[in-house]
Amino acid sequence: GDSVTQMEGPVTLSEEAFLTINCTYTATGYPSLFWYVQYPGEGLQLLLKATKADDKGSNKGFEATYRKETTSFHLEKGSVQVSDSAVYFCASGRRALTFGSGTRLQVQP
Amino acid sequence: EAQVTQNPRYLITVTGKKLTVTCSQNMNHEYMSWYRQDPGLGLRQIYYSMNVEVTDKGDVPEGYKVSRKEKRNFPLILESPSPNQTSLYFCASSDSDRLSGANVLTFGAGSRLTVL
Repeated sequence: GDSVTQMEGPVTLSEEAFLTINCTYTATGYPSLFWYVQYPGEGLQLLLKATKADDKGSNKGFEATYRKETTSFHLEKGSVQVSDSAVYFCASGRRALTFGSGTRLQVQP
Repeated sequence: EAQVTQNPRYLITVTGKKLTVTCSQNMNHEYMSWYRQDPGLGLRQIYYSMNVEVTDKGDVPEGYKVSRKEKRNFPLILESPSPNQTSLYFCASSDSDRLSGANVLTFGAGSRLTVL
């Protein structure tokens, strides 16, 4: 079946550092790819998405590019802030989504 | 405000005592789904519904039931809860992305269930 693998956390960074969270997927066909973010005590919110190969999703300074050749969708941000501290989930699919296990990001001032 | 509302947000119960977690959405979404979130396992789908009166098992349906009598509501029923169902539960609904057909999920705030 489909699966999504994310790097394990927690990832701890200082403010203004560069962020990469790796995500790879296995799927039949050509899924859409997503990053969701979960802030403490809240449900998941869509951060960005890409629906076909070579698409780049972007939002709030975060970016991820759909790489079919490496089956990856790595999340990046050039300069993180304390307010970015959250759990980040990579997901793939179309009608039913498969989620990764989540990566906790802690940004220190 | 467009939202998915779950109740209760927190519940402590005992083994075998039937409970229902309600989920309601006000966005006229056809697709609704239940997930459980456990440490190190991410989100796993329990059940989903493509439309009224249409429900299907997800990855971890054992011990759960659902119903979809109306478009806006999708309750999760635990007929005889057990301690291994202690978890954080999320309801989600979605509309399909017009271009790709992919679901973009809107999540509720979560229901933390403890079964003693």
